[in-house]
Amino acid sequence: QVQLQESGPGLVKPSETLSLTCTVSGDSINNYFWSWVRQPAGKGLEWIGRVYISGSTTYNSSLKSRVTMSIDTSKNQFSLKLTSVTAADTAIYYCARGNPYIYFSLDVWGQGTTVTVSS
Amino acid sequence: EILLTQSPGTLSLSPGERATLSCRASQTVSSNYLAWYLQKPGQPPSLLIYGASSRATGIPDRFSGSGSGADFTLTITRLEPEDSAVYYCQYYGNLWTFGQGTKVEIK
Repeated sequence: QVQLQESGPGLVKPSETLSLTCTVSGDSINNYFWSWVRQPAGKGLEWIGRVYISGSTTYNSSLKSRVTMSIDTSKNQFSLKLTSVTAADTAIYYCARGNPYIYFSLDVWGQGTTVTVSS
Repeated sequence: EILLTQSPGTLSLSPGERATLSCRASQTVSSNYLAWYLQKPGQPPSLLIYGASSRATGIPDRFSGSGSGADFTLTITRLEPEDSAVYYCQYYGNLWTFGQGTKVEIK
């Protein structure tokens, strides 16, 4: 059974870089598209971007200038970096698997990690 | 970029009733790439429906999806207290777009 686990600092200072890692266990990281989704407290879901095993990426246009995603197939991990953070980036950050076999639906999610931007 | 609008914002129903949730896209989309998720408080979202009408693994047949073009519907029959959640529609068009969610409350 595939599982995803987010990890990274829970507190980031304004203007600094948010860095998170998602570790995939129970299945290979190959053949799927790996996404980050965030959710501010009490609000809806915002897709941030996705990375594929080739290293190709697609980002939400609203965040594109600040986002970098990468993948490490040897560790079965993928990562998110978000630069120049502000309080508006405070949210729960989820990693999720986009499954091309079911029309790229996000069929597996991590439990989420809360990131607070504050000095 | 496709925008998804969900309605109503909140649905308050009694156990045993039927819930009908709407998701409207800003333009005609392929139903293959329309999915629904539910999210209970304190939990991550989980996949309910993919391809507009196919239930994900383990989802009971009380949940059904339908629609085409720009209008899609999630129907939950015989509501149970555990169905209380926020439901999101989502479209994949080389990037993932979510609707704003519909909250289903069970009285």
